[in-house]
Amino acid sequence: GAVVSQHPSWVICKSGTSVKIECRSLDFQATTMFWYRQFPKQSLMLMATSNEGSKATYEQGVEKDKFLINHASLTLSTLTVTSAHPEDSSFYICSGLPLSSYNEQFFGPGTRLTVL
Amino acid sequence: AQTVTQSQPEMSVQEAETVTLSCTYDTSESDYYLFWYKQPPSRQMILVIRQEAYKQQNATENRFSVNFQKAAKSFSLKISDSQLGDAAMYFCAYRRGGSQGNLIFGKGTKLSVKP
Repeated sequence: GAVVSQHPSWVICKSGTSVKIECRSLDFQATTMFWYRQFPKQSLMLMATSNEGSKATYEQGVEKDKFLINHASLTLSTLTVTSAHPEDSSFYICSGLPLSSYNEQFFGPGTRLTVL
Repeated sequence: AQTVTQSQPEMSVQEAETVTLSCTYDTSESDYYLFWYKQPPSRQMILVIRQEAYKQQNATENRFSVNFQKAAKSFSLKISDSQLGDAAMYFCAYRRGGSQGNLIFGKGTKLSVKP
């Protein structure tokens, strides 16, 4: 299957700082990328959907000014957690959907964020 | 709105035995896709099997097979000859057909495999 990478795989930051997470589709073009958040022992919760070259669509309850998403190219999407707080500590997963694919979307390995 | 329900938070199976994980869903759409994803301790999401709603034949992938009951909106996963490496969280998911919309996930079932 196609490969999606995420960087960094884990990050620890101080409260009030901003953290950027990169998501790259390595061998396919992802017209749509999804960002999920997963708390321990819970399912994946969709945060936002981003389409290349346009603004992201955020799910209800997700602050768009806090979780900035940029999808500037068909192979790169970034999630920036601004002014991070301990409650933002979580596991963040991105996923890319290839052009014209309605079947399989490919997941990154996730990024563990810990805010002190 | 579409929903996906997994009623078994945890399941356990003996190595080499067979186990079935349940999933039901609710939708008014006629065109959609159903998936089972595996999330091992590494937390990398791995596609196990997928089913197109328009196909009557149940999907199979080696030791993994599904029982797709469209009228009952049921989509169970059967794992045969269970192996220790099958231990993981399993998520059932739905996507509306003809779209690049997001996957809707169930809450997951944690599968343990006993040696």
